[in-house]
This record gives sequence, C-alpha cells and structure tokens, in this order.
Amino acid sequence: EVQLVESGGGLVQPGGSLRLSCAASGFTFTSFWMTWARQAPGKGLEWVATVNHDGRDKYYVDSLKGRFTISRDNAKNSVYLQMNSLRAEDTAVYYCARDIDVRGQGTTVTVSS
Amino acid sequence: QAGLTQPPSVSKALRQTATLTCTGNNRNIGNQGAAWLQQYQGHPPRLLSDRNNNRPSGVSERFSASRSGNIASLTVTGLQPEDEADYYCSAWDSSLNAWVFGGGTKLTVL
Repeated sequence: EVQLVESGGGLVQPGGSLRLSCAASGFTFTSFWMTWARQAPGKGLEWVATVNHDGRDKYYVDSLKGRFTISRDNAKNSVYLQMNSLRAEDTAVYYCARDIDVRGQGTTVTVSS
Repeated sequence: QAGLTQPPSVSKALRQTATLTCTGNNRNIGNQGAAWLQQYQGHPPRLLSDRNNNRPSGVSERFSASRSGNIASLTVTGLQPEDEADYYCSAWDSSLNAWVFGGGTKLTVL
C-alpha cells in the first residue's frame, strides 16, 4: 500500500524556520518525482515545490523561491521541505505527493506571534 | 503561475450524471493531461484520476476522466450523496515547470 507520512509542522513565529519531512513506503520511491503542495485555511490547493527522481532538478512556485528548499534522500525514501523566513501567509496544511497523488494527512504549519 | 479554470460550483440531482470541466492550455492540459483530486471538507485530497486518466485502486468506476484538446473533464455517473465534495484538477505545465491547479469545483448533489 502506498503511504506518505508527513511530519514536522507546528507553530512558529514570523521569520522562523521549519523542516517538513515525508516518509514514503509501498512503492519504488526513485521512480517518482515528489511534490509538496499546501492548502491555506478555507482556500484551494497550491503547488509549492517538486523534485525529480535523483534530486538534482528542483522546481518552485515563483512566490516562494529563495525561502523554501525541497530535497530528497532516496536511501531513506524521504522528501523534505526546508522553510525559512516564514510569514503569516505560509500558514497552511502541507501535503506531500507522489507526482500529484496526495496520500497523507498532511502536516499543519501555523505562523503566528 | 497561472492556474487552470474550473467552474466554482456544479449542482445535479441524485442518480444523475455530472461533468466537471477544467480548462488549461497547450503547455499543460494540452500536452501533459490533467489529474483530478477529490476533497471532503476537513479531509486531505484524494487522487481520483492521474494525468493519464487512470483511476487508482479503490476509486469507484463511476468516476471517469477524459481530455479534449486543452479541456479536461471528470464525469461522475449515478450521483450519490457521498459525491458531494470539492474537486480539483491539476496539470504539469511544461513551460512553467510547475504544477498548476484549478480553483476547485464544489459538487452538490440535490
């Protein structure tokens, strides 16, 4: 069974940092590009970042470039999202996806003082 | 990044057929296809159809996806109360190198 389990969310002050993790299982991890997407309260889905099979190619939504970094560790079947200089508007549930297949419950990030 | 266009809401009667549409361009839907996700209020989204119009295991055969040019469609037959949800389309944009989403369609079963 395909499983994606996100972790690392929480409450952080504006300007702070968080590192989200996503543990994958049940499929050949190296066969898939991996994606982070998010959903702010009451809003639709928003793509955040994608990393290719070997982690060399990374793509970001324009508004987040320079603050967020996606990475993967194929030895650990995991993908990560390092989030720096967090702002109130980054408050959302963050989902990990295999391609665009969201399987997890997400992890909630709240940016507030 | 420019998104895909979905109607905000669609309402259909119980046991009828609903067709949800998603309009993009030849850099996303037109050459990459579109995926469809279903989301119940307060729950994470679930993939209904990948960008090759394949249903993951466990997804009802009442859901079928198709594409004509730059427009993707999700058809739901024999509408049931449990089909009331938000439906999102998404496609990889080969020009932007980005996933783009539609704004979502709220399906109401009358």
